[in-house]
Amino acid sequence: DQQVKQNSPSLSVQEGRISILNCDYTNSMFDYFLWYKKYPAEGPTFLISISSIKDKNEDGRFTVFLNKSAKHLSLHIVPSQPGDSAVYFCAASESQGGSEKLVFGKGTKLTVNP
Amino acid sequence: DAMVIQNPRYQVTQFGKPVTLSCSQTLNHNVMYWYQQKSSQAPKLLFHYYDKDFNNEADTPDNFQSRRPNTSFCFLDIRSPGLGDAAMYLCATSGGRSDTQYFGPGTRLTVL
Repeated sequence: DQQVKQNSPSLSVQEGRISILNCDYTNSMFDYFLWYKKYPAEGPTFLISISSIKDKNEDGRFTVFLNKSAKHLSLHIVPSQPGDSAVYFCAASESQGGSEKLVFGKGTKLTVNP
Repeated sequence: DAMVIQNPRYQVTQFGKPVTLSCSQTLNHNVMYWYQQKSSQAPKLLFHYYDKDFNNEADTPDNFQSRRPNTSFCFLDIRSPGLGDAAMYLCATSGGRSDTQYFGPGTRLTVL
């Protein structure tokens, strides 16, 4: 039973355009959400996070939006660059419960074409 | 640079032959995690240590064990690897509960 779902295995966009990666979750106890980026032959690296008390968090070209009622979050990358090509993992946790456990989605492979 | 190091990067073992994967960190973090990631699947937490306190996930097979002899090192022992244990094994660390997790590059395990 997947608690965190990334329904698009892959996404391809043109350089300079917006990339939108989506993530859905089923556990209403999740209150902290993260995006990790993974290049081949490397471990995932933290990109951006959002707490459930917010609906938006921005860091440079990366913005994460959270819709709690829909149990949906999205990562926007504007403008997309070829170096953004990687696998993006959505993850969630119950931070208020003091849990260290992250539950990951399967990832979306983003390809940004020059 | 402070980092999470995993050795070896690639490990080949035979069916049923015990294998140990190693993780070390220079971040001085309290928490160390082991994840298993099979092809095209989500990373799945096997267990974690908060300092010396071991926390096993309910669905982690008994075949998987872990040791943390000190703050810097953590080992994953697979007592009798099966073909289904072939995967990428990721080690991560964090400074505390709910802190950002920092991942190593992973060890890809092949079972023949």
